Amino acid sequence: ELKVEQNPLFLSMQEGKNYTIYCNYSTTSDRLYWYRQDPGKSLESLFVLLSNGAVKQEGRLMASLDTKARLSTLHITAAVHDLSATYFCAALGAGSYQLTFGKGTKLSVIP
Amino acid sequence: EAQVTQNPRYLITVTGKKLTVTCSQNMNHEYMSWYRQDPGLGLRQIYYSMNVEVTDKGDVPEGYKVSRKEKRNFPLILESPSPNQTSLYFCASSSTGAALNTEAFFGQGTRLTVV
Repeated sequence: ELKVEQNPLFLSMQEGKNYTIYCNYSTTSDRLYWYRQDPGKSLESLFVLLSNGAVKQEGRLMASLDTKARLSTLHITAAVHDLSATYFCAALGAGSYQLTFGKGTKLSVIP
Repeated sequence: EAQVTQNPRYLITVTGKKLTVTCSQNMNHEYMSWYRQDPGLGLRQIYYSMNVEVTDKGDVPEGYKVSRKEKRNFPLILESPSPNQTSLYFCASSSTGAALNTEAFFGQGTRLTVV
């Protein structure tokens, strides 16, 4: 059974600082996804990571995937208040179409 | 505009009264799925569908049914709702169902309360 664990679950950071959210998964996965959710809103897709070593960047967010370590990271560079949200990673089990989510990381960026 | 539409957005019902939450997408996506979101538990997949007439269980299918008679629609049915099904529900769709290489689009959510 695929399990997905995110760390940390809560993150309070100052504007301008850098930080990383970690997403570990327990068994082989074919795909890794990152989503953002603003309070009271739906989920917005951020990144789809398809293979080992994949790196994708959008603005101040960069996601990477290490399939050997079963680890994906979401790196935040020079945080701004607009990045405050909950971030979820999700993994697709190998040979499966069942998607398993982490519990989410609630990020608060303070001035 | 590409979108996933869920209805209703809010629903309060009583235990045992059958209900259906509708989900429709206008992007001709093969893959559709339902999730429930509960505080501290993140999102958990209920059911998913690879294409018309092809559905499969996710992590928490008990107490739910789905059908996929048309590509655009994927309703979630609660035959006999119970209070532990009080939750926020999301429907999602994505293309390239076999590989799921592309981003998913989520509906706006349905907040269900069962009393």
